Amino acid sequence: EIVLTQSPATLSLSPGERATLSCRASQSISNSLVWFQQKPGQAPRLLIYDASIRPIDIPARFSGSGSGTDFTLTISSLEPEDFAVYYCQQSYNRPPYTFGQGTRLEIK
Amino acid sequence: EVQLVESGGGLVQPGGSLRLSCAASGFNFNYFAMHWVRQAPGKGLEFVGSITTNGGSTYYADSVQGRLSISRDNPKNTLYLQMRSLRTEDTAVYYCVKGGSGTKWDLLEDWGQGTLVTVSS
Repeated sequence: EIVLTQSPATLSLSPGERATLSCRASQSISNSLVWFQQKPGQAPRLLIYDASIRPIDIPARFSGSGSGTDFTLTISSLEPEDFAVYYCQQSYNRPPYTFGQGTRLEIK
Repeated sequence: EVQLVESGGGLVQPGGSLRLSCAASGFNFNYFAMHWVRQAPGKGLEFVGSITTNGGSTYYADSVQGRLSISRDNPKNTLYLQMRSLRTEDTAVYYCVKGGSGTKWDLLEDWGQGTLVTVSS
């Protein structure tokens, strides 16, 4: 089973700052990495797939990078609505897939 | 607009059974793979399983293999999750998720709001 490790567990930043979230895979997964955002009481929302592709309804301040085992989600300038929990998920080969344990992005 | 509405959750005793349903609308249900993902209270996300467009193939997490099974009724635009031999660790919100298009069939693209299953005596 591919294990995903997210860091940090919690990130405290202020609106307007840049956020950098990390996801590391236990083996190479090429670019098969997805990012989700989840706000309290809501379902997760797809942010990034194939490591760096952003769906058309996702703001440009969200970007993803990486390949192999190391991946990054960057939020260039935090908006108040960006404070949430972020999960990475690997989509390598075929299901079943695995998720990281999440990074909580909180207001400093 | 894609809509996915889960139902069937509730309280069940350990060892019991439950069937969840997901009513889909706003897209051509026949053309998309579907998935179930769960989230235990206060915990992270866990993939449960997937089913291809015609139901010909299914995939399951090891933790549910042999106890949970996914099926679909395309004419009724409905996805199902049959749950048997339930354990306390199956307590979670269960999300119905629509897959992506074409080769992105396994992308967890659109999510329902979830239904809570509580396994307790």
